[in-house]
Amino acid sequence: EDQVTQSPEALRLQEGESSSLNCSYTVSGLRGLFWYRQDPGKGPEFLFTLYSAGEEKEKERLKATLTKKESFLHITAPKPEDSATYLCAVQRGSTLGRLYFGRGTQLTVWP
Amino acid sequence: DTGVSQNPRHKITKRGQNVTFRCDPISEHNRLYWYRQTLGQGPEFLTYFQNEAQLEKSRLLSDRFSAERPKGSFSTLEIQRTEQGDSAMYLCASSPTTSGAFNEQFFGPGTRLTVL
Repeated sequence: EDQVTQSPEALRLQEGESSSLNCSYTVSGLRGLFWYRQDPGKGPEFLFTLYSAGEEKEKERLKATLTKKESFLHITAPKPEDSATYLCAVQRGSTLGRLYFGRGTQLTVWP
Repeated sequence: DTGVSQNPRHKITKRGQNVTFRCDPISEHNRLYWYRQTLGQGPEFLTYFQNEAQLEKSRLLSDRFSAERPKGSFSTLEIQRTEQGDSAMYLCASSPTTSGAFNEQFFGPGTRLTVL
């Protein structure tokens, strides 16, 4: 069965303290891996799509990377406004569009 | 704002009542998805439309759930005879089918359902 596992479940960082979030997946025929940010009480906000191993994408303080079994979301010098839940999702080539989400990593950045 | 919109944002109902939610996707997005999210979990897929055709349904979508997209624009999700286990955030997303942005799904703010 397809699985997406995110770790850690929660992460507390001091402002400026860089770290990485992990998303490991077991899915046949990966079509794409997606990262979303979700603030409390709101819908997920799209961040990145990664399609193939070795691919990297950056946006401000965030950088996403992909291997054949996992993806990392690197956060460089985080700020308090980066506090949110970060969700990872995968899409299979054999399905029409559904995303399979992990449970997310709740990130808190304190000043 | 041209993002995905959902109404209502919050709904409180009594067990056994019917509820209906509406989703307006981003203009010209052909694909529309419904997901459900409970506290501490990631969103779970419910169903998917391409234009007006419902192409995929999850096993989570019991007989009490029905979704429509009659004209290929907005969509409705109805839950009949609500149960306390239906309490969740119901999320709608849409995506284009143009190359280069084929798979990216953009989510609305969600409808929070509480069944008493």
